[in-house]
Amino acid sequence: SQELEQSPQSLIVQEGKNLTINCTSSKTLYGLYWYKQKYGEGLIFLMMLQKGGEEKSHEKITAKLDEKKQQSSLHITASQPSHAGIYLCGADMTVIDFGNEKLTFGTGTRLTIIP
Amino acid sequence: DVKVTQSSRYLVKRTGEKVFLECVQDMDHENMFWYRQDPGLGLRLIYFSYDVKMKEKGDIPEGYSVSREKKERFSLILESASTNQTSMYLCASSFGGYPGELFFGEGSRLTVL
Repeated sequence: SQELEQSPQSLIVQEGKNLTINCTSSKTLYGLYWYKQKYGEGLIFLMMLQKGGEEKSHEKITAKLDEKKQQSSLHITASQPSHAGIYLCGADMTVIDFGNEKLTFGTGTRLTIIP
Repeated sequence: DVKVTQSSRYLVKRTGEKVFLECVQDMDHENMFWYRQDPGLGLRLIYFSYDVKMKEKGDIPEGYSVSREKKERFSLILESASTNQTSMYLCASSFGGYPGELFFGEGSRLTVL
């Protein structure tokens, strides 16, 4: 089973609408990272969350990490065609120590924006 | 801008062939990673490296090996390609101490016939 569960797996949203993507773990997350991938291309880093209750925004995208540091949400306000793609959460699942710098990724959420 | 370059965007190989996937980064990053991406399974870590000539197994290293002779270059090797290695391969790099801020290449889509 996946250590990081993302929901929904796919999402079709009308342009201008708001949407939320979730990323959940049964373990404490020591760092949570959101990435976006355009179809058939590499991933682009969006945001990093490390503290329980932390919230960050960039343009119309807001990401939050819950107090228990086991769930994160990505919220897009007034969606645009440029938001279309695959959104992946990645997490550091272990206590950070030197030489253990690797991420576990969720399976991704495919977002389609329809005019 | 940080650039991570993967040598081939698309490859088609036959079962049993030896396959080299090359990745070069130009930001003097300490860490480099190879992932594969498959529908429904997400990104899975194959191998990673924290320094020249150092390598660590990821979650699915079987059937793969890596080489890091220079800091900027990290190669993934499939000694004898099999059809279940058909996938999208993604290389990434990062500064030491910043595990999550990965910079990815555009990917290499490998088809093994």
